[in-house]
Amino acid sequence: SQTIHQWPATLVQPVGSPLSLECTVEGTSNPNLYWYRQAAGRGLQLLFYSVGIGQISSEVPQNLSASRPQDRQFILSSKKLLLSDSGFYLCAWSGGGTGANVLTFGAGSRLTVL
Amino acid sequence: GQQVMQIPQYQHVQEGEDFTTYCNSSTTLSNIQWYKQRPGGHPVFLIQLVKSGEVKKQKRLTFQFGEAKKNSSLHITATQTTDVGTYFCAGDSGAGSYQLTFGKGTKLSVIP
Repeated sequence: SQTIHQWPATLVQPVGSPLSLECTVEGTSNPNLYWYRQAAGRGLQLLFYSVGIGQISSEVPQNLSASRPQDRQFILSSKKLLLSDSGFYLCAWSGGGTGANVLTFGAGSRLTVL
Repeated sequence: GQQVMQIPQYQHVQEGEDFTTYCNSSTTLSNIQWYKQRPGGHPVFLIQLVKSGEVKKQKRLTFQFGEAKKNSSLHITATQTTDVGTYFCAGDSGAGSYQLTFGKGTKLSVIP
């Protein structure tokens, strides 16, 4: 069966520090991968998605970046965090191929920038 | 771009009362999905509706997809405290899009 792992679960970072969140999927190949952000009490904002290794589409211009170094690994990064980067970051995967499919989310990473 | 509006934003109900959340898209959808997020948790897929006018049931939950494939609803009969959470609809415009457009969600509180 397929599983998705996301870490770290919680982190507190000072403004201006770097960020790296990692997500891996097991039990499937060539998944579509997604990074979402959820501000406190708000909806889901799509940040990045990837349909293959090295292929990244950005939905929101900001100081975040994403990379997909391996088929089932998706990384969210920042060189310098802003206060507004605080939120709940969710990695998700869906079946490969064309079109949007059902999403399976990871447990999330709760980031607080101070 | 495509927009998905979801109402109400919040709903407080007494346990045993019914609950409905509505979702409206600015464009015709290929399909619509519903997710539930428990407090402190992550969204979990509930169901996908594909056909015009489709109605699906999961125990006390009834999901409907409008005839024009632009609106949808989730109805919970006789709410229980386990129904607490935020319910999101997500629309797929099709046409090769890899993105779902999420509504802002309806946060349900159930008073025991």
